[in-house]
Amino acid sequence: QKEVEQNSGPLSVPEGAIASLNCTYSDRVSQSFFWYRQYSGKSPELIMSIYSNGDKEDGRFTAQLNKASQYVSLLIRDSQPSDSATYLCALRGSGGSNYKLTFGKGTLLTVNP
Amino acid sequence: DGGITQSPKYLFRKEGQNVTLSCEQNLNHDAMYWYRQDPGQGLRLIYYSQIVNDFQKGDIAEGYSVSREKKESFPLTVTSAQKNPTAFYLCASSMGQGGSQPQHFGDGTRLSIL
Repeated sequence: QKEVEQNSGPLSVPEGAIASLNCTYSDRVSQSFFWYRQYSGKSPELIMSIYSNGDKEDGRFTAQLNKASQYVSLLIRDSQPSDSATYLCALRGSGGSNYKLTFGKGTLLTVNP
Repeated sequence: DGGITQSPKYLFRKEGQNVTLSCEQNLNHDAMYWYRQDPGQGLRLIYYSQIVNDFQKGDIAEGYSVSREKKESFPLTVTSAQKNPTAFYLCASSMGQGGSQPQHFGDGTRLSIL
């Protein structure tokens, strides 16, 4: 059973556009959600965390969480070629699984100059 | 600078050989984790540790072993029982094991079979 689903992409957007990355999850009790950016050959880097329904903004990044729909998204405004990377959605499990992060397989984003 | 240091960056294993991957952190984090990443795949948890001298199996612990003798260190041994060890290994740490604490990653070790 897949717990975190992401479109593998590639998602291609022109420079300056808004990139929208989506993630759905199956565990209704999940409380904490994270977005990581992973450049090719590198380790994941934390971009955003979100815990409550609604939007959270940090610079060009906005995370959106809808627990009723079991959906979390990441918007990147004014996309730059340096944003080209794989974006991993992760969530922290509930109850006995709250120690672990469960990761999606990631969405590859390409920003074209 | 505070961070997580993994070494070596690249490692090659011969048949029947055990190899140990190093992970050291100076963030004063309580919890440490080992993940494996295969091409096009998400991260899979191998082992985790919440405190010194205690660790738990993750989802794919077979063929691996760990120790946590110091808060700063959480080495991973890939044993000869792990028949498909070629992967990107990532060590992570967090202030606590649950709640809102994010995990932060080291730079990783790439392991290949000779």
